[in-house]
Amino acid sequence: GAVVSQHPSRVICKSGTSVKIECRSLDFQATTMFWYRQFPKQSLMLMATSNEGSKATYEQGVEKDKFLINHASLTLSTLTVTSAHPEDSSFYICSARDRLGSTDTQYFGPGTRLTVL
Amino acid sequence: GNSVTQMEGPVTLSEEAFLTINCTYTATGYPSLFWYVQYPGEGLQLLLKATKADDKGSNKGFEATYRKETTSFHLEKGSVQVSDSAVYFCALREEDSWGKFQFGAGTQVVVTP
Repeated sequence: GAVVSQHPSRVICKSGTSVKIECRSLDFQATTMFWYRQFPKQSLMLMATSNEGSKATYEQGVEKDKFLINHASLTLSTLTVTSAHPEDSSFYICSARDRLGSTDTQYFGPGTRLTVL
Repeated sequence: GNSVTQMEGPVTLSEEAFLTINCTYTATGYPSLFWYVQYPGEGLQLLLKATKADDKGSNKGFEATYRKETTSFHLEKGSVQVSDSAVYFCALREEDSWGKFQFGAGTQVVVTP
């Protein structure tokens, strides 16, 4: 099946620094990618929808200036957590929609564990 | 707003036992319903789905029926294997949300030999 990768798989950073997480679709083109955040023992919370070549659409309550999303190509979307703080520590998961598939054809990455000290 | 509620885990059971994971939802309109599975160290994988009331999704011995009257989509498997140990997520997608999902909290299933 289709594969979505995320890099890095885990990252530890100091408070105040910025961290970039990459999401790549490896064998298909993704016009739309989604970024989720998952807290321990809680559901995945959709943060934003990213369309190739346009600005991301953020969900209510998500700070767009803090979580910068760029979807510059059909196979790559990046999430940058700016000026990270300990409360940003979480598990971040992306998913990618296959442009040739139905809206139900989404593939998820393995996630990135962010720890802010 | 829309929401998905599923039973808390972990659910621990022996090999060949019957598995049920309850999932209920609230939604406007007519959502599609999904079960995703996440094996250790891997991304979420689509397990099965149902797009309208009374549809039954099935895959790998797992089944779930879209019950609009009870707003439920319970996952069942008649005889689990150790390899079924994973976290299972129930999810919905609104009919007009072009891909946005609402997930449940996930249920960890541990199958012992």
